Amino acid sequence: EAEVAQSPRYKITEKSQAVAFWCDPISGHATLYWYRQILGQGPELLVQFQDESVVDDSQLPKDRFSAERLKGVDSTLKIQPAELGDSAMYLCASSPSGRNTEAFFGQGTRLTVV
Amino acid sequence: GENVEQHPSTLSVQEGDSAVIKCTYSDSASNYFPWYKQELGKRPQLIIDIRSNVGEKKDQRIAVTLNKTAKHFSLHITETQPEDSAVYFCAADPTGANNLFFGTGTRLTVIP
Repeated sequence: EAEVAQSPRYKITEKSQAVAFWCDPISGHATLYWYRQILGQGPELLVQFQDESVVDDSQLPKDRFSAERLKGVDSTLKIQPAELGDSAMYLCASSPSGRNTEAFFGQGTRLTVV
Repeated sequence: GENVEQHPSTLSVQEGDSAVIKCTYSDSASNYFPWYKQELGKRPQLIIDIRSNVGEKKDQRIAVTLNKTAKHFSLHITETQPEDSAVYFCAADPTGANNLFFGTGTRLTVIP
């Protein structure tokens, strides 16, 4: 069964350092999402791509976060500089094109900022 | 933006009993309501979803109901089993573009 791949699974970084996460969606899925899940809460959408274009980044803290999906396939989410409050699970998801299609989540990257 | 509230935050039931989780949403434009199950340390997985043109949907022991007038939807699990223990999230999409707004989750514990 095809899965969304994310790496690394765990990341510990010092505050003010840069950190990057990688996501490879299910083959053929045009839509890719990055979510942040703080412990005890539901996932919160950070950015949504349709192919290589950003369709929603209204919740992305653009002063420190950036995301790209250059060839419309895999994607990278970067934080620079990391802050203590960025500690969370970062989930990537993908879905086929179309209205209300199922979003498939990856295992996530658990980030701890110390 | 959409605001999804979910209750209860924790729920314990005896094996074989039923469990009900309720969610409300604020944006009347929302028309897609998925439910995700997240086991400890694992990814969220879709278990059932409902669209606004349907009032109820069933899949074996799981059912979801939707009341668009009242802006609430519920997950019903019957004949609960220990493997149903997980965190369950409801979500709503007001855009039709899979822009999901999630509730805060319900931790369900099924006691053997």
